[in-house]
Amino acid sequence: GQNIDQPTEMTATEGAIVQINCTYQTSGFNGLFWYQQHAGEAPTFLSYNVLDGLEEKGRFSSFLSRSKGYSYLLLKELQMKDSASYLCAVSTNAGKSTFGDGTTLTVKP
Amino acid sequence: DAGVIQSPRHEVTEMGQEVTLRCKPISGHDYLFWYRQTMMRGLELLIYFNNNVPIDDSGMPEDRFSAKMPNASFSTLKIQPSEPRDSAVYFCASSQIWTASVTGYTFGSGTRLTVV
Repeated sequence: GQNIDQPTEMTATEGAIVQINCTYQTSGFNGLFWYQQHAGEAPTFLSYNVLDGLEEKGRFSSFLSRSKGYSYLLLKELQMKDSASYLCAVSTNAGKSTFGDGTTLTVKP
Repeated sequence: DAGVIQSPRHEVTEMGQEVTLRCKPISGHDYLFWYRQTMMRGLELLIYFNNNVPIDDSGMPEDRFSAKMPNASFSTLKIQPSEPRDSAVYFCASSQIWTASVTGYTFGSGTRLTVV
């Protein structure tokens, strides 16, 4: 089975940088996804990592270490609209992903 | 493309009634997933299809739940009989294996089911 851990809640200030961690234990690994989910809405895709290292996409970056079973999502220049839940999801075979419980980020002025 | 389309958006039903949720995936996507989201259990995978064939239904809670995909553009999730503990948001998502690393899954807007 899979075990995916994320902090439940985080708070940060507008304009700051925040790092959301995700650790996982899986039997087989085929990539790690990050999704953003605003309250009352569907999850939307943010990033995908399958090789070790950092992937940068504008204000958002995602890092992966397969040997440590560890990933993080880095959000820079936080905006109020970044207040949402951030879901880490691990793909363990072609097409199927298991989601963590999500980290609720609150951005304060 | 209009994205993944789910219906209805909201459903309120009485315990014991049959509930049918519907999903139209994005054209050309070869994978379709049914997830359920609750505060207690997060986002759980119920079942997924590849090219209309069910691949893994190990997440289906019990025999009261069933899912079908009669063709590439339509899937249903049925609960019969429904129980209050089935109350949740049910998401349908689709993806294309060769572009999943770029676009991930595309989720529908979800169906909020309330069983009273």
